[in-house]
Amino acid sequence: DSGVTQTPKHLITATGQRVTLRCSPRSGDLSVYWYQQSLDQGLQFLIQYYNGEERAKGNILERFSAQQFPDLHSELNLSSLELGDSALYFCASSGNRYSMGPDTQYFGPGTRLTVL
Amino acid sequence: SQQGEEDPQALSIQEGENATMNCSYKTSINNLQWYRQNSGRGLVHLILIRSNEREKHSGRLRVTLDTSKKSSSLLITASRAADTASYFCATDPMDSNYQLIWGAGTKLIIKP
Repeated sequence: DSGVTQTPKHLITATGQRVTLRCSPRSGDLSVYWYQQSLDQGLQFLIQYYNGEERAKGNILERFSAQQFPDLHSELNLSSLELGDSALYFCASSGNRYSMGPDTQYFGPGTRLTVL
Repeated sequence: SQQGEEDPQALSIQEGENATMNCSYKTSINNLQWYRQNSGRGLVHLILIRSNEREKHSGRLRVTLDTSKKSSSLLITASRAADTASYFCATDPMDSNYQLIWGAGTKLIIKP
């Protein structure tokens, strides 16, 4: 158990809909990362938040947005869903990036999104 | 874009044999990490090797890093069926904007 929780585990929805994925990081971790993994593919980095502020952006579509709240949990919002958005969405957390030390990431179990 | 490239893409060996996976990258790094992913599950951190280290061990895992060749290898000795998983390398580039750069992974199958 990594200490990172994600809800829901599974989500089935229709094209055009909007969904919200939730992530709670490990206790004490300030950074949250969101990744998308399509079937049998590698990880696509979407976005990172550090202590409530956006820190880095990857290949995140304009239809997707995220935020990190004062209690450090994060939500990923996916709107106008398309069939190609079906994937596993992972959240990961890590400690203080300014520590200059290793930036090991701890992954949640993921949310499997199916768009029909 | 992905910096790390794992090789091979897939590997199938008999239980008890050793498995070697390679990772190449393009830019200077602070460290390189290896992660394991069982099918459909979250990734699990295995080992981290810093740019000033050449070799690191953790149980049956041995990781090497050659910064001159910009490559790393992960050796799993005496493989077990439970080692069946995908293995990803991730680099922490020196000029990164705080994100790890991930390879596409090697799918390892251990045959009983």
